[in-house]
Amino acid sequence: DAGITQSPRHKVTETGTPVTLRCHQTENHRYMYWYRQDPGHGLRLIHYSYGVKDTDKGEVSDGYSVSRSKTEDFLLTLESATSSQTSVYFCAIMGQGPNTEAFFGQGTRLTVV
Amino acid sequence: AQKVTQAQTEISVVEKEDVTLDCVYETRDTTYYLFWYKQPPSGELVFLIRRNSFDEQNEISGRYSWNFQKSTSSFNFTITASQVVDSAVYFCALSEASGGSYIPTFGRGTSLIVHP
Repeated sequence: DAGITQSPRHKVTETGTPVTLRCHQTENHRYMYWYRQDPGHGLRLIHYSYGVKDTDKGEVSDGYSVSRSKTEDFLLTLESATSSQTSVYFCAIMGQGPNTEAFFGQGTRLTVV
Repeated sequence: AQKVTQAQTEISVVEKEDVTLDCVYETRDTTYYLFWYKQPPSGELVFLIRRNSFDEQNEISGRYSWNFQKSTSSFNFTITASQVVDSAVYFCALSEASGGSYIPTFGRGTSLIVHP
């Protein structure tokens, strides 16, 4: 199994509070992604990174920011959590290019109350 | 822009039936990659298969088979003699080779329920 871990696995937070989710990999992969999974929407890309300090927005980036200061860590921050951000968040890593499959973390279930 | 459509939201079958999950994609690239992932009730995402745009050969792996047809932009997945353990959400995904960002785009998933 690919070495990718997400923390925390579960979190309940209050509306308006900041939240940071962490993705850690031991594969030295260049590409890292944050997706959210919601019923009826499948997996939607929030942000992605193609190297240290190189990040870009995805389809549903509003309300989220990311940082990647080291190859192995990709952080997703909800600046001020809202109930619409209640979701399951998945981190994924990918090797050298599009011909390699993405490996996923176990997911973080975030509930904003 | 790349797009993946899984029109079947949910499929319900009885064990031992064959079932086909449809995947239709859109891309302007001539080089691209298609994937299928399985998400069992436990929630993790498991890679099943990768296919590149230059290889239209169908693939069979045990009870699983994949039919890639560029003419119809489809990459369908068939499970033969389904089993209860096949119950899961299945996602089709596409990555384009151009642009350098290599972003996998996923369909909305098909929930397969196999009844005993």
